[in-house]
Amino acid sequence: EVQLVESGGGLVKPGGSLTLSCVVSGLTFSDAWMTWVRQAPGKGLEWVARIKSKIDGGTLDYGVPVRGRFTISRDDSKNTVYLQMTSLKTADTAVYYCHTNFYGPGAFDSWGQGTLVTVSS
Amino acid sequence: QSVLAQPPSASGTPGQRVTISCSGSSSNIGSNYVFWYQQLPGTAPKFVSYRNNMRPSGVPERFSGSKSGTSAFLVISGVRSEDEADYYCAVWDDSLRSRVFGGGTKLTVL
Repeated sequence: EVQLVESGGGLVKPGGSLTLSCVVSGLTFSDAWMTWVRQAPGKGLEWVARIKSKIDGGTLDYGVPVRGRFTISRDDSKNTVYLQMTSLKTADTAVYYCHTNFYGPGAFDSWGQGTLVTVSS
Repeated sequence: QSVLAQPPSASGTPGQRVTISCSGSSSNIGSNYVFWYQQLPGTAPKFVSYRNNMRPSGVPERFSGSKSGTSAFLVISGVRSEDEADYYCAVWDDSLRSRVFGGGTKLTVL
């Protein structure tokens, strides 16, 4: 069973920084494409960032609202994906979910439990 | 304002057929696979359809996805009370170079 466990959420002031972590088990992490998705309180889902596996080029992609401020990275030796967030705004307040998927034979689509980031003065 | 338009709400009585739509453009639905997610209150999303019309293992047969041109649809044939949830479509957008979600549809089973 694929499991994802996020950590690092908390309260931060506008303009501040925070780094989220997500530890993954139950799959070959180095082959996985990892994403972050967020959900503001009472709102819908918003795609934040994706990092492909190194064998697929390690490409980084970002949602428009976070480009230039957030950085996604991975450490395959620790089965961990990170989301470094800088210049945080109140609009970044959300539950941040770590997510991975495989859509070939035996398809799966797995999510963590989420970690809450609150940006407030 | 999402680039994918979904109706904010939908409803049906038990046993009815319910259709949720997702309208996009040539740069997203028109050229890429569509995915559908179900989100129960207080929980992480769960996929109920992928690659336009594939049903994941363990998802009831009453859930089916389809796509036509720049629109996609999730059909629940014979809706049940446990299907009451928020539903989101998702697709890669070639112009934005990011994945995008629809605004979500809240399904109420009357």
